[in-house]
Amino acid sequence: AQSVTQLGSHVSVSEGALVLLRCNYSSSVPPYLFWYVQYPNQGLQLLLKYTSAATLVKGINGFEAEFKKSETSFHLTKPSAHMSDAAEYFCAVSDRSNFGNEKLTFGTGTRLTIIP
Amino acid sequence: EAQVTQNPRYLITVTGKKLTVTCSQNMNHEYMSWYRQDPGLGLRQIYYSMNVEVTDKGDVPEGYKVSRKEKRNFPLILESPSPNQTSLYFCASSLSWVDTEAFFGQGTRLTVV
Repeated sequence: AQSVTQLGSHVSVSEGALVLLRCNYSSSVPPYLFWYVQYPNQGLQLLLKYTSAATLVKGINGFEAEFKKSETSFHLTKPSAHMSDAAEYFCAVSDRSNFGNEKLTFGTGTRLTIIP
Repeated sequence: EAQVTQNPRYLITVTGKKLTVTCSQNMNHEYMSWYRQDPGLGLRQIYYSMNVEVTDKGDVPEGYKVSRKEKRNFPLILESPSPNQTSLYFCASSLSWVDTEAFFGQGTRLTVV
């Protein structure tokens, strides 16, 4: 069974500082991994995805994530936080271990606060 | 514009009064799903559909029903709502759940009193 664990339900960083949001996955087969962002009163939108091509994935708004198989991790980073990055971030995993019954499984989310 | 539209955005109802939350997508996606979002629990899948007339239970299906009579629509039905179904609900659609982007509606905040 697939699952993701997001360490830290709340993360606060100063404006201009490095953003690091942690995600570890569990999957019986090579996974596909995603980061979604949810701004207040909105639905989720895709930030970036890993689908077995390059292990360093670049997304929108300056975010990137690195797939590390040895650590079963897919941490999200941004070199310099901006006030507009304040949102909730979800890591998600999917795989083909249940052909015909594929699903997308989300972590519990990390709320990012930016300190002026 | 590609979008997933949910209605209503906000709903307050009483225990036991049947309600339907509608979801419609204009991207011709085969896959659609309903999630509920609760603090500290993230998004949990309620039901999903892989095509017209093909639906299956997700992780938390109790108390919910769905139907998929047309490709674009995937309504969520609460036959007898209870207070523990107070939550934020999201509909999503995708070409595939495995390696493509899922598109989400704006959410429906449901309160059952």
